[in-house]
Amino acid sequence: QVTLKESGPVLVKPTETLTLTCTVSGFSLDNARMGVSWIRQPPGKALEWLAHIFSNDAESYTPSLKSRLTISRDTSKSQVVLTMTNVAPVDTATYYCARTPRPTPLASLYFGMDVWGQGTTVTVS
Amino acid sequence: DIVMTQSPLSLPVTLGEPASISCRSSQSLQHTNGFNYLDWYLQRPGQSPQLLVYLGSNRASGVPDRFSGSGSGTDFTLKISRVEAEDVGVYYCMQALQTSLLTFGGGTKVEIK
Repeated sequence: QVTLKESGPVLVKPTETLTLTCTVSGFSLDNARMGVSWIRQPPGKALEWLAHIFSNDAESYTPSLKSRLTISRDTSKSQVVLTMTNVAPVDTATYYCARTPRPTPLASLYFGMDVWGQGTTVTVS
Repeated sequence: DIVMTQSPLSLPVTLGEPASISCRSSQSLQHTNGFNYLDWYLQRPGQSPQLLVYLGSNRASGVPDRFSGSGSGTDFTLKISRVEAEDVGVYYCMQALQTSLLTFGGGTKVEIK
């Protein structure tokens, strides 16, 4: 069974650095076909994709936050970590991680973000 | 960036009746392989999003067949043939063609009349 679980602080002060961890099970972060995305959702608002990382350490970030985000993975711990620097109240949100298929021209290998974590809620205040 | 626009914003539905949600992209989502990289997700109240449809029309594992996705290029539709109480929530479309910048629509809230 594939599961992802987010963890991190509930409350962070403005200007601090936020560190979130996604612990996965049921699949390997070395799997060439898949990786992990981080997505956030401010209260009452829509989903926003933040970043993703794959087994070859290829990373992508949403441009509006690229200067503040770093995504990394620790395969020995089955964890993907997202750090966000200089947080502000607008970063208050529920943060999700989700299994993500690696980009490929082979449509047969694309399966959507098929498993999501339960989310972790972060308040910046 | 590929901008995703959903309509309507809110959709009151009657149990047992059909429902339809529209999603438009600012650029074609059709890959050179011929497939459309468009997903649909449902976020039930208080829950994480779940995948319903990928590649425009492929139902994810375990998704009831009353859900169907269609469309190509820039215009896509998610249809529910007969709405059930458990279908209440917010539906999001997401483009996966631009792999370095995935983008979601603003969401459509489905509620029972």
